[in-house]
Amino acid sequence: ETGVTQTPRHLVMGMTNKKSLKCEQHLGHNAMYWYKQSAKKPLELMFVYNFKEQTENNSVPSRFSPECPNSSHLFLHLHTLQPEDSALYLCASSQGSGGHGYTFGSGTRLTVV
Amino acid sequence: AQKITQTQPGMFVQEKEAVTLDCTYDTSDPSYGLFWYKQPSSGEMIFLIYQGSYDQQNATEGRYSLNFQKARKSANLVISASQLGDSAMYFCAMREGITGNQFYFGTGTSLTVIP
Repeated sequence: ETGVTQTPRHLVMGMTNKKSLKCEQHLGHNAMYWYKQSAKKPLELMFVYNFKEQTENNSVPSRFSPECPNSSHLFLHLHTLQPEDSALYLCASSQGSGGHGYTFGSGTRLTVV
Repeated sequence: AQKITQTQPGMFVQEKEAVTLDCTYDTSDPSYGLFWYKQPSSGEMIFLIYQGSYDQQNATEGRYSLNFQKARKSANLVISASQLGDSAMYFCAMREGITGNQFYFGTGTSLTVIP
C-alpha cells in the first residue's frame, strides 16, 4: 500500500456509460491531484485541489468532472468519453514544500470502447 | 518549450553495473525542485530522490544519486549496482517555486536490467 489508494485498478467502459474513479489518501496531505498518463507523452495535470477547493483545471473537457468532498477523498466522474480518453489515470497527494514530492496511487487503467 | 526533457526513451544495463538516466530542465525561476520517480509495470509512481535548486551537494538516496549541474540545467539520475528490480520507467520532474503545486514531468526512460 502506498498511502494513496485508487479504485478500480482497471475499467472498461462504453462511450455512453457513466463511471467514477475514486482516490483516497490517509497521509494528512492537503493537496490532491488527477493526472492523465498516455503512452509516450508526459504526464498531463488535469485537476488540483487544495484543502478541498479546486485551484487548477488544466483545460480539461467537461466529460471529466472532479469532486473533492473532503481532503482525503477525490473522485473523477466520467461520462460520454471518447476512445482517445483511454489512459492511465493517476491520483496523487502532497503536503508542504521543499523535498515533499507527490505520493501517487497505483492508477486506474481506463479503456473506452 | 518543454520544461523537462528526457532524451533516452530506452536504456539497457547489465546487472550490477551503474547506469545514468539523463534529464534536462528549463526554468527561469531561481527556486525549483527536481524529482525522480520510478514507475514499475504495476503503474504506481514511486518517489526516488529530490534535489533543491539551492542545495550545494548532490542528493543521494541509497543506490540513487542525482548529478546536479545547475549551469547546464541537468539533473541526471545515477543508479549504482543495478538490480533486476530496477527495470521500470523512470520520470524526471520539476516543481517551480518553493510551494508550487504543479509538477512538470518528462516523457520518461524505460530501463531494462539484463541478468
